[in-house]
Amino acid sequence: QKEVEQNSGPLSVPEGAIASLNCTYSDRVSQSFFWYRQYSGKSPELIMSIYSNGDKEDGRFTAQLNKASQYVSLLIRDSQPSDSATYLCAVRRGYNKLIFGAGTRLAVHP
Amino acid sequence: NAGVTQTPKFQVLKTGQSMTLQCAQDMNHNSMYWYRQDPGMGLRLIYYSASEGTTDKGEVPNGYNVSRLNKREFSLRLESAAPSQTSVYFCASSDSWSGDSYEQYFGPGTRLTVT
Repeated sequence: QKEVEQNSGPLSVPEGAIASLNCTYSDRVSQSFFWYRQYSGKSPELIMSIYSNGDKEDGRFTAQLNKASQYVSLLIRDSQPSDSATYLCAVRRGYNKLIFGAGTRLAVHP
Repeated sequence: NAGVTQTPKFQVLKTGQSMTLQCAQDMNHNSMYWYRQDPGMGLRLIYYSASEGTTDKGEVPNGYNVSRLNKREFSLRLESAAPSQTSVYFCASSDSWSGDSYEQYFGPGTRLTVT
């Protein structure tokens, strides 16, 4: 079992819809969770971090964390074609290392 | 602020050649990291440096060496390149862990091909 698992996709959503991206992790003691966006041929860009159970909202993005079920999700409201990218989930392990999932490719079509 | 910079952007090597990838950050971060990214594999940690003067192995360190030259710079060396090292290499940096905060920021990457 991988430490951080994501559906590889592609997840295809129409413009204006809500895109829901999910991530599960295996280490129950993980405390910090991150979502990165990566456009094709570019480097990962941090878009959300979440540390406590519940929801955290930032503009059109909402991160949701459920430590009991060991999953973290990212919702993108009013999806735009410019949101088409690969979204990487990352979980902190130990003092200062991140473990990344393989990413979910999101395609937003007009 | 340039953030995290990497050189070169692209490189082609022949099997057995050596090279050094350079990384620098201007955010006064204590920790720096080297990752490789292969299709379908996500980002895998090669080496990291929690602070100036320290380096530690990550998930896939074989075939690589690193040097934390100073607080700003962290280099990755391939002593004898192999085709299996064809990948995209990213450098990242973060501030020391404080409370819950632990956010890494990435450089633009180096695309390396070994023939």
